[in-house]
Amino acid sequence: DAKTTQPPSMDCAEGRAANLPCNHSTISGNEYVYWYRQIHSQGPQYIIHGLKNNETNEMASLIITEDRKSSTLILPHATLRDTAVYYCIVRVRGNTPLVFGKGTRLSVIA
Amino acid sequence: GAVVSQHPSWVICKSGTSVKIECRSLDFQATTMFWYRQFPKQSLMLMATSNEGSKATYEQGVEKDKFLINHASLTLSTLTVTSAHPEDSSFYICSARDFPGETQYFGPGTRLLVL
Repeated sequence: DAKTTQPPSMDCAEGRAANLPCNHSTISGNEYVYWYRQIHSQGPQYIIHGLKNNETNEMASLIITEDRKSSTLILPHATLRDTAVYYCIVRVRGNTPLVFGKGTRLSVIA
Repeated sequence: GAVVSQHPSWVICKSGTSVKIECRSLDFQATTMFWYRQFPKQSLMLMATSNEGSKATYEQGVEKDKFLINHASLTLSTLTVTSAHPEDSSFYICSARDFPGETQYFGPGTRLLVL
């Protein structure tokens, strides 16, 4: 079973920042937070991951609360191409596979 | 990022036939590969984990004799759906993990339609 809770859907205006929340209140000390997205009829795309520090790459920023019980994925300037289902997953690095929950369906609106 | 390919992207077959799907890691070696299945409007469901040179580990409820997985090299895994039936129609997605297991990368998926 997925160990995260995400809102089922969100809307965002094109050009604005999209902030996608994720609760993972039972996360353990050695579990990382991973974010993937799935655009319609494609395989999931890796976005970013982190352990406890905030992370940023060319796609997004990941903000993890100090108690690590929740996180937020930020797409700084959402475009129509960012419309997708976004999955927040917690996982121990190593041989454990990613287990997907239901994710958040983000709709970017012109 | 690392690239994972799948072939074919689409396949239509008759009930009772077998279908093979290939998954390749193009620019990295993957000691571990995963196969997922996704039905319409649902999330991805893990089917099995395969390690190069050893037998695959199947998730509960997945028939190992029906979904044959072979991971013969560090860049290739295959999924064969044997004696396919209409209920096997789905979107099959493979994933490969780089070393030392930090990130899983996904293929584009294979859509299977069994008539």
